[in-house]
Formats: sequence, structure tokens, C-alpha cells
Amino acid sequence: DIQMTQSPSSLSASVGDRVTITCRASQGISNYLAWYQQKPGRVPRLLIYAASTLQSGVPSRFSGSGSGTDFTLTISSLQPEDVATYYCQNYNSAPITFGQGTRLGIE
Amino acid sequence: EVQLVESGGGLVQPGRSLRLSCAGSGFTFDDYAMHWVRQAPGKGLEWVSGISWNSGSIDYADSVKGRFTISRDNAKNSLYLQMNSLRAEDTALYYCAKGRAGFPYSAIDIWGQGTLVTVSS
Repeated sequence: DIQMTQSPSSLSASVGDRVTITCRASQGISNYLAWYQQKPGRVPRLLIYAASTLQSGVPSRFSGSGSGTDFTLTISSLQPEDVATYYCQNYNSAPITFGQGTRLGIE
Repeated sequence: EVQLVESGGGLVQPGRSLRLSCAGSGFTFDDYAMHWVRQAPGKGLEWVSGISWNSGSIDYADSVKGRFTISRDNAKNSLYLQMNSLRAEDTALYYCAKGRAGFPYSAIDIWGQGTLVTVSS
């Protein structure tokens, strides 16, 4: 199975900061990588698929990059409503696997 | 409005069975792969199983293989998860989820609200 490792596990930043979360796959997955946002008590929301394609309705401050084994999710200017846990997901092959999550807070 | 509504969760004893159902609406159900994803209390997301649009491709997480069976009825716009030999570690909120494509290997763009399964004596 392909393991997905996110870093950091948690972080806090100030409103307006640029925030980057990384995700590493244990083997190459091309660009079969998605990012999800889950706010406390809420259902997960798809942010990005195919490593860098923004899902419809997602603010443009979110962006994704990477291919192969190393991927990043960037929030260009952190907003209070971005407080959430973020997950990467490999869908290159079965079993589909998620990273352990990165909890993002506001300082 | 695209919607997924799960049902069938509840409290069940270890070793017993439970069947989850999911009703889809607001989209062409038989065009898309469907998934079950679970989340144990306070934990992260764990993919459980996925099924292609025509049931021709089915996959499971190793943790449930041989115990859980996914199925769908496109005529009824419904997805199912038969869970046998339940264990305490199966306790979780189970989400029904829609893939972006017809085959299982795609991102998930729609999630239901989830149904809680608690395995305890």
C-alpha cells in the first residue's frame, strides 16, 4: 500500500500569512493527488484534485503543486475561516489512502 | 441539489452484522464511482471501499477485506455496505461519498453527512 505522510501535523499562523502543507507518497503516484479541508464538526470538502486543479467554488488563495512523490498545498493569505484539518489523498490505485491530517489554527 | 443520505448505523455487538445504505439524488448516479470512507472519533479519514459505476471494479481497504461487501443498485440510486464480523475498531462515522469519475480511482467531490456505527458489548 502507498503511505501518505503529511507535514507538519499541526501549525498555527497569522491572518494574511502564506501557509504551506506538504504531503509525501511512499512511491510515485504521478498527479493522482487530492487535498481536502475538514472544519470541526463538518463534512470533508474537496479543495484540489489532480495535484493542482482547483475544485469549483474553492477560493483562489488555495493552490496545489507537485508530482510523483512530493506535493504541497499552499494558502496564499490565511483567513480566519481556513481553520480546519487538511488531508491529502492518493487515488493512483487501490487502496486509496489519506494522509494523517494537518491541523491548521490561527495565532 | 446534489445530495447523499446515509442510513443504517447504530449500536451493534462485536461479531454481529450491520448494513449501511446511501441514497443519492441530484446527479446521474450511474455515471459515477461511489465510496465509503470512515472516521473514528477524533481521528483522521480512512477509505473503506469503492465501486465503479457499473460494479465492474470493486476494492477494499485491507482492514475490512473479507468482512465488508460494497454494492450498488443504480435503478434505486443507492449504495450499500454490508458489514460482517464487526470489531470495536470499526467504530466510526461512515461517510457515503461520490467520486468525480466512473472508475474508483478518482478524487471524491461529494460527501454525505455520515452515519455512526458503534461496536460495543
